[in-house]
This record gives sequence, C-alpha cells and structure tokens, in this order.
Amino acid sequence: EAGVVQSPRYKIIEKKQPVAFWCNPISGHNTLYWYLQNLGQGPELLIRYENEEAVDDSQLPKDRFSAERLKGVDSTLKIQPAELGDSAVYLCASSPGGANTGELFFGEGSRLTVL
Amino acid sequence: GENVEQHPSTLSVQEGDSAVIKCTYSDSASNYFPWYKQELGKRPQLIIDIRSNVGEKKDQRIAVTLNKTAKHFSLHITETQPEDSAVYFCAAKADSWGKLQFGAGTQVVVTP
Repeated sequence: EAGVVQSPRYKIIEKKQPVAFWCNPISGHNTLYWYLQNLGQGPELLIRYENEEAVDDSQLPKDRFSAERLKGVDSTLKIQPAELGDSAVYLCASSPGGANTGELFFGEGSRLTVL
Repeated sequence: GENVEQHPSTLSVQEGDSAVIKCTYSDSASNYFPWYKQELGKRPQLIIDIRSNVGEKKDQRIAVTLNKTAKHFSLHITETQPEDSAVYFCAAKADSWGKLQFGAGTQVVVTP
C-alpha cells in the first residue's frame, strides 16, 4: 500500500514569491493534516481536514497561507507571498478518521527554503 | 490549550545501555499519548502509544509509562542499538478529535 505522497520534496524560492505543496493521503483516509516543522522542533498543526471540510485551521496564518482539499482526497497548501521565516519542512499526514483516531501517517515532507 | 514539554533535548548512550525520555503535559483531559521516531531526513513514524486507561505498555525493547496524576509519561528503550539513533517526539491529545500537541523532540545518539 502506498503511503502519504508529497511533492515537491525540496523547493527554493526568493521571498515574496508564491509556492504550493501537494499531498496525496493514504487511500481511504478521511482525515488529512498539514503540519509545519521548524528545525529542531516538533511538528505544529496548521490545518486539519475531515473529508473536504477544514475543521481546525486556527493555527494557519490566513493572511498568506491557504489550503484546499477538493473532493476530499488530495490537498494543496499555498503560501503567497513567502517570507524568510517560512523556511521549514511542511509535513502532510493522514489518518482513517472517525472516533478514537490514533496513528498519524506522515509523508516525507516538503522542505522549503526562502532566500 | 495543551502544552507538552520533553526532556532531555539530546541523549547520548552507549550501545546496549538504556535510554529514557520524559514528557509532561498540561491538559488533564489528555487521554492519548503517542511516541514518534524520526530518522534524519525521514518522516516521523509511530513507534508506540498509550491511552489513559493503562499505566504501562511494552513492545519488545520499547516501553511507555504514564502517570496521569503527575501528568507525565516516559519512553524507555532497553538494549539500545545504533539503529535507535533518531529524534523521538512525544505527543498528547485531549480527546478523539483534539489537536495532537508534540514535544520539541529528543535527539538520541547510540554510540557503538
């Protein structure tokens, strides 16, 4: 079974440029998460989807970040415009969803460097 | 919201020795406590988890203990091997639909 797939794995852009990350969760997983991981830190939740509905986006900086999960499968996270402080790894994760959700299955991450 | 603190930030052990990582949490409603292992450049992967209705859980060389009264939980790795070298994250969640809050991580280095 394929795991969570993310692309691109690496992205280098100049500040003020836009960038987008794509995530394909494990088939059948209704819950999808985007996490931000700064160097030497634990993952921090940006947004959580239940199917196509964003149920927790309180940590998403909405002035420059946006996300969508059309049709409740793949998801895209966009930053526009990017700032130097956005350099980090953006992790996507999925879980089966429903009550008593446990394990999160993470993708390899998209490493963003903003110059 | 939930706050998870993890200690130590780095841990160096000799191969064959034991390693212990400790975490504390703030929200007494938390009832799910997983541990993730992240090798360099790789994705975090669940290695063990515990729910609040049990005090200890073991899986081969790893074990997790939970003290709900004191609001802390620990990861124990026995007979460490070089492949145990990684960053370990603890996490806590208040309920089935709550946000999983991660600790800052512990870099474990196992020297031969």
